[in-house]
Amino acid sequence: QVQLQESGPGLVKPSETLSLNCTVSGGSINNHYWSWIRQPPGKGLEWIGQIYSSGSTTYNPSLKSRVTMSVDTSKNQFSLKLSSVTPADTAVYYCARYGHYCFDSWGQGTLVTVSS
Amino acid sequence: QTVVTQEPSFSVSPGGTVTLTCGLSSGSVSTYKYCSWYQQTPGQPPRTLIYGTNTRSFGVPDRFSGSILGDKAALTITGAQADDESDYYCMLYMGGGIYVFGTGTKVTVL
Repeated sequence: QVQLQESGPGLVKPSETLSLNCTVSGGSINNHYWSWIRQPPGKGLEWIGQIYSSGSTTYNPSLKSRVTMSVDTSKNQFSLKLSSVTPADTAVYYCARYGHYCFDSWGQGTLVTVSS
Repeated sequence: QTVVTQEPSFSVSPGGTVTLTCGLSSGSVSTYKYCSWYQQTPGQPPRTLIYGTNTRSFGVPDRFSGSILGDKAALTITGAQADDESDYYCMLYMGGGIYVFGTGTKVTVL
């Protein structure tokens, strides 16, 4: 069964860029869609964006101007960059695989706090 | 901006039945939105319950069922158990590779 693991800094300063990686194990990153989803403390889930193994992307229109996703198939890894962060971007960030018309595999999530 | 609406909270008695709904701020939910449902307990990632409107994910008990009711998607829990007390989120596919989560429903079993 595929497993996903998020990694990256837990603290980011306002106006800087948040960078996270998601490493996929137990399966290939190829021929699948991969997403980032976040959840502010005590709030609901928000889909950030999706990348296919070929590198094609779609982003949440409300975040599109600040989001960049990339994929490294040689490392079985995909990444998220969110620029110009503010405290409102403080959240648990999840990576997930889209398959069978749903997000069928999730990472455990990583808390990123935006604070000076 | 599209908003996917869910009831903020529901309370159900053990053994009882509860139906959560998932609607659109404009328009109706059809099978082409490929609605999926997720269960989340504190500190854990979401768990997939239902995909493609009405198909249970592997290992999900058959007391969970998905459907379309009128212009909304619905998740019904029949014979609620104590460990069904969780937050529940729906998610809709809006087309063009865009997904939107619902606002979430907190279910209390008491």
